[in-house]
Amino acid sequence: QVQVVQSGAELKKPGASVKVSCKASNYTFTGYGVSWVRQAPGQGLEWMGWITPYNGDTNYAQRFQDRVTMTADTSANTAFLEVRSLRYDDTAIYYCARSFGTSKWFDPWGQGTLVTVSS
Amino acid sequence: FMLTQPHSVSESPGKTVTISCTRSSGNIGHNYVQWYQRRPGSAPSTVIYENNQRPSGVPDRFSGSIDRSSNSASLTISGLKIEDEADYYCQSYDSTDVVFGGGTKLTVL
Repeated sequence: QVQVVQSGAELKKPGASVKVSCKASNYTFTGYGVSWVRQAPGQGLEWMGWITPYNGDTNYAQRFQDRVTMTADTSANTAFLEVRSLRYDDTAIYYCARSFGTSKWFDPWGQGTLVTVSS
Repeated sequence: FMLTQPHSVSESPGKTVTISCTRSSGNIGHNYVQWYQRRPGSAPSTVIYENNQRPSGVPDRFSGSIDRSSNSASLTISGLKIEDEADYYCQSYDSTDVVFGGGTKLTVL
């Protein structure tokens, strides 16, 4: 079945960077987008941005533009999210999801990657 | 723009509940609305996409609609089951951004 599988939990210090991977299987990776969404403890879902693996085009939410980079390796059917200059309030579960271009529908979602920022 | 949902709703098993999602600016009918269910400890999953479409495997107890007069979308769950207890999020977009509602906690008691 169509699925996206993410890398494991990370523990980082403030100011560090983290890179999360999202491996797609059983669909044409270059035929869809990949979106990244995070959920901080006790908070709702927050869209971070989108990458089109076919051509590498990205669209970042404004509040993340300065600290986030999304990339994709089409040979490995894998998307990546890098967040730099981590702060305590970046502690969250980070999700990737296959994204449909026209309707902006996200499905399926990865299992989530817990990133904890702690000194 | 923002999408505003009620913080929580509760209803008894077998009853029907409707969760609203109001768009602050821009026409609700111009961009599709999706609804996601998130159970504790699980990733979000789609219950409604493109306003009123159900993915395969989602029971027809779940339905979605939009109301242009109130600029809002609604998720209706009929014949409530205990397993429907979860957080529900609406989602839509404009030309540059994707936006999620704040989420509604559904309690089935």
